[in-house]
Parts: sequence; structure tokens; C-alpha cells
Amino acid sequence: EIQLQESGPGLVKPSQSLSLTCSVTGYTITSGYDWSWIRKFPGNKMEWMGYISYSGSTNYNPSLKSRISITRDTSKNQFFLQLNSVTTEDTATYYCARSASYWGQGVMVTVSS
Amino acid sequence: DVVLTQTPVSLLISLGGQASISCRSSQSLVHSNGNTYLHWYLQKPGQSPQLLIYQVSNRFSGIPDRFSGSGSGTDFTLKISRVEPEDLGVYYCLQRTHNPPTFGGGTKLELK
Repeated sequence: EIQLQESGPGLVKPSQSLSLTCSVTGYTITSGYDWSWIRKFPGNKMEWMGYISYSGSTNYNPSLKSRISITRDTSKNQFFLQLNSVTTEDTATYYCARSASYWGQGVMVTVSS
Repeated sequence: DVVLTQTPVSLLISLGGQASISCRSSQSLVHSNGNTYLHWYLQKPGQSPQLLIYQVSNRFSGIPDRFSGSGSGTDFTLKISRVEPEDLGVYYCLQRTHNPPTFGGGTKLELK
């Protein structure tokens, strides 16, 4: 059974970088699918941030393109999110997901000084 | 970006009743390959979103047949029959036909 688990700091200061890890078990991230980061803002708004494919190519939401990077460590079956120059508007719950089918439990990140 | 408009924003339903949620797109969601990548999710309180319906009308693994999806082009509907307490939460539609993928604003299902 595939499982995804996000980890990372719950508090980030404005202007700094947000870095999160998604650890995947039950499926090898190089075997198929795209591996995404999605966030939910306070309230109900959801945003697809981007993904790294099983082959290693990336696709980012243009609204974040200058600030986002998604990378992976295939030896650890993990993929990562880095979001630079964060502001309070990046406060959200961050989810990793396999395509749009299986999601992690999410990690709440607050941007505050 | 494609805008998905979900209605209603909230829904009060009695146990055993039927719920219907609409998702309207600002442009056609038919991909050049002929498929329509419109999916439905439920986020229960304290949980991550779970996939209910993919590509308009296909139930995901383990999803009961009380959930059904329909529609085409720009207009889509999720129906939930015989509503149970476990169905409560926020429902979202998601389109993956156009880049970037976009979500509807959500519909909160509550018990009357």
C-alpha cells in the first residue's frame, strides 16, 4: 500500500526558504506517475504547486515559477519542495501526492516573524 | 488559468438524503487526447483529501456506488445518494486537462 508522509519545519520566517520532504513507501517514485506538491490555504482554497515526474522532469505552477523548486532523492525514495522568499501569504497546509490519487496527511506551515 | 466554480458553497442534507454538487469550468475540459480530466475529492475533517471520482465518472478504488459523477465539456455534477455521517466534509473538483491544474472553491456538506 502506498503511503506518503510530509515532514519539515512548521514555522518559517518571512523572506526565508520553506523546505519540505515527502517520504514515499509502498511505491518507487521512478516507476511511474508524477509526484506533486499541493497546498491548502486557511479557508478552503487549494493550489497545485507543481510536480516532478517519475523521469525527473518538473512542471511548476507559473504563479510560483520564480520561487519554487521540486527535486528528489531516488536512493531514499523521497522528493522535496523548496519555496523561496516566503511571505505570510504562504501560510498553508502542504500536501504531497502521487498524481492526484494518493495524498500524504499534510504539514501545516506558518510564515511568521 | 481555468476557473472552476463550485455550487453550492454549503449544503445541508439529512441522513439518507441526496446531495448534488455542481462544478462549472471557464473552458472546456476535454483534452486533445479526447479524455476529460475532471476529478472529485472529499476532505473529511482533520484528514487529507481523498479521491472519489476520476475522469468525470469513474469511482476510485473502494469508493461506494452512492457516489456518482457525470457531465461533459464545462458542466459537471457529483451526486451523493443515501448520505451517511462519514460523507461529511468539504468536496472539491479538480481539473488536470489544462496547465496548471486548478481546484474548485469547495462545497461543505453538513447534516441538517
